Amino acid sequence: AQTVTQSQPEMSVQEAETVTLSCTYDTSESDYYLFWYKQPPSRQMILVIRQEAYKQQNATENRFSVNFQKAAKSFSLKISDSQLGDAAMYFCAYIGGNEKLTFGTGTRLTIIP
Amino acid sequence: NAGVTQTPKFRILKIGQSMTLQCTQDMNHNYMYWYRQDPGMGLKLIYYSVGAGITDKGEVPNGYNVSRSTTEDFPLRLELAAPSQTSVYFCASSYSIWYNEQFFGPGTRLTVL
Repeated sequence: AQTVTQSQPEMSVQEAETVTLSCTYDTSESDYYLFWYKQPPSRQMILVIRQEAYKQQNATENRFSVNFQKAAKSFSLKISDSQLGDAAMYFCAYIGGNEKLTFGTGTRLTIIP
Repeated sequence: NAGVTQTPKFRILKIGQSMTLQCTQDMNHNYMYWYRQDPGMGLKLIYYSVGAGITDKGEVPNGYNVSRSTTEDFPLRLELAAPSQTSVYFCASSYSIWYNEQFFGPGTRLTVL
């Protein structure tokens, strides 16, 4: 079974600085998708960024980018120029051949003004 | 578009009571999902549906039932509520089950006493 591990329960960063959230996963599949979801205090789950395993180029969405290392099964999220509105729980998620989204346990990100 | 809506937002049940959590989406998505999120954990899939009349079990289906009579609605039924079902429940939908983004509802916080 696929597993997703987020080893940082909590992280903090100064406003305007850069922070990286870690995620590793375990799979025997060659084609799959990885996601980072944001859950602010409102509880609404919001997709931040998506990466297809077959694409070597790392995905980027404005201030959010990933470092996808397929061989190492690592999928970290980098947030540049952190803003107060970035404060949230961040979940890494995986979907593969069984077509079911598997979530990590999350990282709580605090932005320090 | 309202997206994915869930009712109620909060509910307290007594042990042994039953209830239905409602979920509706207006995006004409074929795929719909029910997740539960326990404190400090990621989301776990309860049931999902690939279209009207078709449902399947996820990772934690025990104690729940679903039905999908229309494309828009995907209610989750709790029979004989137990304290272990205290959780936040999220409904989600997507255009396909593969790489497409899952859109989430705002969640229902359920407490069983």
